Amino acid sequence: GNSVTQMEGPVTLSEEAFLTINCTYTATGYPSLFWYVQYPGEGLQLLLKATKADDKGSNKGFEATYRKETTSFHLEKGSVQVSDSAVYFCALSVNQGGKLIFGQGTELSVKP
Amino acid sequence: NAGVTQTPKFQVLKTGQSMTLQCAQDMNHNSMYWYRQDPGMGLRLIYYSASEGTTDKGEVPNGYNVSRLNKREFSLRLESAAPSQTSVYFCASSEQGNSREQYFGPGTRLTVT
Repeated sequence: GNSVTQMEGPVTLSEEAFLTINCTYTATGYPSLFWYVQYPGEGLQLLLKATKADDKGSNKGFEATYRKETTSFHLEKGSVQVSDSAVYFCALSVNQGGKLIFGQGTELSVKP
Repeated sequence: NAGVTQTPKFQVLKTGQSMTLQCAQDMNHNSMYWYRQDPGMGLRLIYYSASEGTTDKGEVPNGYNVSRLNKREFSLRLESAAPSQTSVYFCASSEQGNSREQYFGPGTRLTVT
């Protein structure tokens, strides 16, 4: 079946530190991959996406590259800010009417 | 342009009570979704509607029903609430297609005692 696995949180970093949140997937077919972010008390919003192998999605200093050979889509940011504190969800969609399958989420806390 | 709106924001029910969660979108999207969010489990799809007039079960449909009232509105009904349905419920909408962004509402926090 289709599934997404993320590294467990919470992840606590100091401001300006480098961030990596690991995401691996299992899918039949050729999925589209997404990172969504949820700020406290809000719904999810799309952070970035990639629709085919070797594509790099980027937004707000965050990046993730679709790696078919390792079935991964790791999220990275070179220098995190306090305002990046949120829960990050990796997700995939594969030829099923746009339905998303989510990982369990990774909470990020950035300290000043 | 309000995006996706949900009502109510909070609700407390007793076991066996019923209620309907309302969702509306103003982006003219064909597809709409209901998810539940539980700690450590991410979001799981309850039901979805690929277009007006169609609905399909997701991963966790038991205990729920849905109605796609028109293109804008997609409601979720709990006929007889159970404590296991305590969760945060999110509605989302998107254009049709697999790589389309889903737009989420602010959520409804439901507690069943």
